Amino acid sequence: QKEVEQDPGPLSVPEGAIVSLNCTYSNSAFQYFMWYRQYSRKGPELLMYTYSSGNKEDGRFTAQVDKSSKYISLFIRDSQPSDSATYLCAMSLSYSGAGSYQLTFGKGTKLSVIP
Amino acid sequence: GAVVSQHPSWVICKSGTSVKIECRSLDFQATTMFWYRQFPKQSLMLMATSNEGSKATYEQGVEKDKFLINHASLTLSTLTVTSAHPEDSSFYICSAPTILPFYGYTFGSGTRLTVV
Repeated sequence: QKEVEQDPGPLSVPEGAIVSLNCTYSNSAFQYFMWYRQYSRKGPELLMYTYSSGNKEDGRFTAQVDKSSKYISLFIRDSQPSDSATYLCAMSLSYSGAGSYQLTFGKGTKLSVIP
Repeated sequence: GAVVSQHPSWVICKSGTSVKIECRSLDFQATTMFWYRQFPKQSLMLMATSNEGSKATYEQGVEKDKFLINHASLTLSTLTVTSAHPEDSSFYICSAPTILPFYGYTFGSGTRLTVV
């Protein structure tokens, strides 16, 4: 079993739809959870990060973490064509101490928002 | 703030030559830099972790003599692909952990390497 599982898609939705992106993971020691957006041939950019379980909202984006189920989600409301990109989930054990900086990534889900 | 500048953005080289990729942290000190490789439609795969002033740590299966990493200062880390071959063609990205302005990891813009 891979440490982080993410459906690669592709996912195609009409403009204005609500998008749900998900990842599951196997290592219960992960504490920090992030979502990155990567446009074609560009480096990933951080969208959201959360610590432990709970929800976090930022504009049209909501990140959810359910540690009991080892499941994280990213919701995009009122999706726009400019949201078309690959979305990568990532997680790490902690943020202090050598070796804890490493991120484990999902494969990424390619999203297309059709006008 | 928290920008990692990566150069070149793309490079084409002949088989057998070496290519150097630079990552600079522009407004913060990066004591650690991660180097990733990404093949088409694949996720980011960690190749190595460099720490300023010490030897890099390579992931299993990554040839340290082929992928030379130098982290000589708090703002510069370099990856040199030596004796490049077509199978080394990939997208290489660096990343540094940051605290400000956000708690996360800042990525460079990536380098697309094509070996012909």
